[in-house]
Amino acid sequence: GQNIDQPTEMTATEGAIVQINCTYQTSGFNGLFWYQQHAGEAPTFLSYNVLDGLEEKGRFSSFLSRSKGYSYLLLKELQMKDSASYLCAANGGATNKLIFGTGTLLAVQP
Amino acid sequence: DTGVSQNPRHKITKRGQNVTFRCDPISEHNRLYWYRQTLGQGPEFLTYFQNEAQLEKSRLLSDRFSAERPKGSFSTLEIQRTEQGDSAMYLCASSYTGELFFGEGSRLTVL
Repeated sequence: GQNIDQPTEMTATEGAIVQINCTYQTSGFNGLFWYQQHAGEAPTFLSYNVLDGLEEKGRFSSFLSRSKGYSYLLLKELQMKDSASYLCAANGGATNKLIFGTGTLLAVQP
Repeated sequence: DTGVSQNPRHKITKRGQNVTFRCDPISEHNRLYWYRQTLGQGPEFLTYFQNEAQLEKSRLLSDRFSAERPKGSFSTLEIQRTEQGDSAMYLCASSYTGELFFGEGSRLTVL
């Protein structure tokens, strides 16, 4: 089967650091993606991990452990505009289709 | 703008009517995907094209749904005899390698 699990909601304070976890089970695996989606808008690409380890991109970092089927997205120096849904998605094989989790709705508070 | 374009952006229809959505992918992208998203959920895979060939369809896609990509460029998604449960955002995405680029979506409301 294919399954992506991530928390439904999180709350954090402006200027702080937040980690959003994701576990996955897929029949094939070609990488793990994180997307950001503001309400009423399309998902936009944040990061991609195919090898184990940490990928850093500005205030956003993403980590992957293939043996554990685990990833996290780390957001530093949180800003109010970071309030959004964060979608974890696994690339499921030959067609490169992405299997998405339900998304984690992050609320950044002053 | 050379991103993924979808239209119409919004469609309100009565139950039982047919609707069609169009997607124009990024021009050099050979892969095209349709997803459906409801409130509070992540995008749910519907179907995938590589050039003009439809290579995968979700088992969740009933026979009322049909998608085409006749010349390997734009794609259409038709829903026949719409039901209230079809109300959702229909997202199109295209890619060349791994990353998917999404359009703004077509929101369907079935009354």
